[in-house]
Amino acid sequence: DTEVTQTPKHLVMGMTNKKSLKCEQHMGHRAMYWYKQKAKKPPELMFVYSYEKLSINESVPSRFSPECPNSSLLNLHLHALQPEDSALYLCASSQDEVWQSKSYEQYFGPGTRLTVT
Amino acid sequence: SQQGEEDPQALSIQEGENATMNCSYKTSINNLQWYRQNSGRGLVHLILIRSNEREKHSGRLRVTLDTSKKSSSLLITASRAADTASYFCATVLRYGNKLVFGAGTILRVKS
Repeated sequence: DTEVTQTPKHLVMGMTNKKSLKCEQHMGHRAMYWYKQKAKKPPELMFVYSYEKLSINESVPSRFSPECPNSSLLNLHLHALQPEDSALYLCASSQDEVWQSKSYEQYFGPGTRLTVT
Repeated sequence: SQQGEEDPQALSIQEGENATMNCSYKTSINNLQWYRQNSGRGLVHLILIRSNEREKHSGRLRVTLDTSKKSSSLLITASRAADTASYFCATVLRYGNKLVFGAGTILRVKS
């Protein structure tokens, strides 16, 4: 199984809402990532988890809160978002973190299209 | 911040033609990868080339890397309508800890 799944596919939320994005992989990968992608732009790294511990936070605002409950799951909790946070949120996983890995390939999920109203 | 810059930004070709996309980067790398993204979907890893390699093939894909010019090219031969997508190069910097994506090339293959 080389699939990364993400739920929900689409999410519309108000600026006062709290919601969560979910990501799951069953490839035994030890690194998991959240990326944000705006239209016609490349993905931008937000967070990296390695062995269930936060390894990299790319100075992401605190209204985004990641969580890694176990080695297969990654959540992104959203609170008090702004309209400019509307984007495609991509989850990815890899065998190990980039600097550790002999294989640097990352597997991406299909993304959650988030709209903040 | 972006490490790789790609050109062209957009490319439109007829089915059966070859498509070439270029990627330039700024600092020393460990490896360079190419990913494909169909409209509004996740990215799919296509090929990885290490800094000590000059050329790599995978099916209809051919990737070259010139570390002296800090550039790479992706050639898709005999293109198909299904190749229509955005293509991103991504670099792992030497001693780096993350993948950094270029701006991407939008490829449209007309049938």
